[in-house]
Order: sequence, then structure tokens, then C-alpha cells
Amino acid sequence: EAQVTQNPRYLITVTGKKLTVTCSQNMNHEYMSWYRQDPGLGLRQIYYSMNVEVTDKGDVPEGYKVSRKEKRNFPLILESPSPNQTSLYFCASTPRRLAGAIDTGELFFGEGSRLTVL
Amino acid sequence: QQPVQSPQAVILREGEDAVINCSSSKALYSVHWYRQKHGEAPVFLMILLKGGEQKGHEKISASFNEKKQQSSLYLTASQLSYSGTYFCGTGVSGSARQLTFGSGTQLTVLP
Repeated sequence: EAQVTQNPRYLITVTGKKLTVTCSQNMNHEYMSWYRQDPGLGLRQIYYSMNVEVTDKGDVPEGYKVSRKEKRNFPLILESPSPNQTSLYFCASTPRRLAGAIDTGELFFGEGSRLTVL
Repeated sequence: QQPVQSPQAVILREGEDAVINCSSSKALYSVHWYRQKHGEAPVFLMILLKGGEQKGHEKISASFNEKKQQSSLYLTASQLSYSGTYFCGTGVSGSARQLTFGSGTQLTVLP
């Protein structure tokens, strides 16, 4: 089954304790990204990756790190979590779907990881 | 800058129609629409590109007014399964890599 898998789905941690949220996709998509979802703010992009070893900042990258060593995996790292990083996190991947010269691939989302930082 | 969605919430009876609007202050190239049911991941509905025609998906369709930098999502003869939060994602290119999402419109369809 084609899917994006995130782990853990739920996590409660304390300020300053490093954590990693894993993301894996089995669809051979080149592009992957991380979003956080907060009430009233919708989805905001944290980081994205165009391909292996190619990553770039989204709109809210502060306090996060990512890596893309393999095409299928795109972990999100919180080196020193703080309470303002309490949120629902989504990983997504996108195929390249060309309509002429335009890439129209849609986002395939994982099921989300709810993180609480105390 | 986030696109603005309106209304923020709407409650319907089964069979009624609804329109959700998405406006941007930037010149747009593309608009994506997603639906998120409670506790689930967002699911892609459709993409509209600059210069493209109105799209349809069962009883859900959308339009894209490039001059006004707006898109509208039309839900006709709504069903209970249409309940959820609808997000528009706007882009300065066609790619999902550069989407900026609105804050969402919560749609509730009652029997």
C-alpha cells in the first residue's frame, strides 16, 4: 500500500530533551516536506527536501533540523524542544507529475504526529 | 503570506450547497484544495493552474480567478461525508513545493 508513515504518532516530552520524528514513504517520491498544524493557523511548512542531500527551509524552520540521507526517509529533529513547539506535525511527499513543463504533483500526507512539550 | 479563507466555518443540512473562498494578496500560479477529516491527514482534492479551466470532482468543483487572485470551492448537494476542514494552498508556481496554506474552513453537514 502506498503510504507515508510517521513515528511516533503521539509523544509527550520535556523541554530540552532531544527528539526525532521519523517519516518514511514507499512511493519513490523525490520531494518531501514537514508541516506543523496549529489551531487557527493552518499548515505551515517547516522544511522541505527536493531530493537526497538537498534540503531547504520553509516558513517556520527555527528550532528544527532535518536530514535526507535516503530517498524514502526524511526525519525531523528537535534538538532542544520548547513548549512553543507543541503542535501536530505532518510529513508529506510529492510525486513529479508533469503537465507540460509544470509540476502538478500533489501532497501525500502522513497520519500526523502529535507532540507535547512540557 | 497566508491566503485568506472564508467563511471560517459553515454548517449545512444534507443536500444543501456551499461555497468556500480563498483569496491571496499575491499573484498566483496555482491553487490546491485539500480536505481534512477530524483526526486524519489532509487529502488532496484538486489543483487549479493559471490559465486552466474549472475543475470538477464528483459534486465538488472549483474555479480560479487569476485577476482577482481568488479561488472558490463549490460543494453541491452536500453529503455527510463532506464534513471536515477544507484548506486551500496557494503557490507562485504549479509545484506543491511552494504552497502556502490558508487557516481552513470547517464544514459540518448535518442529517
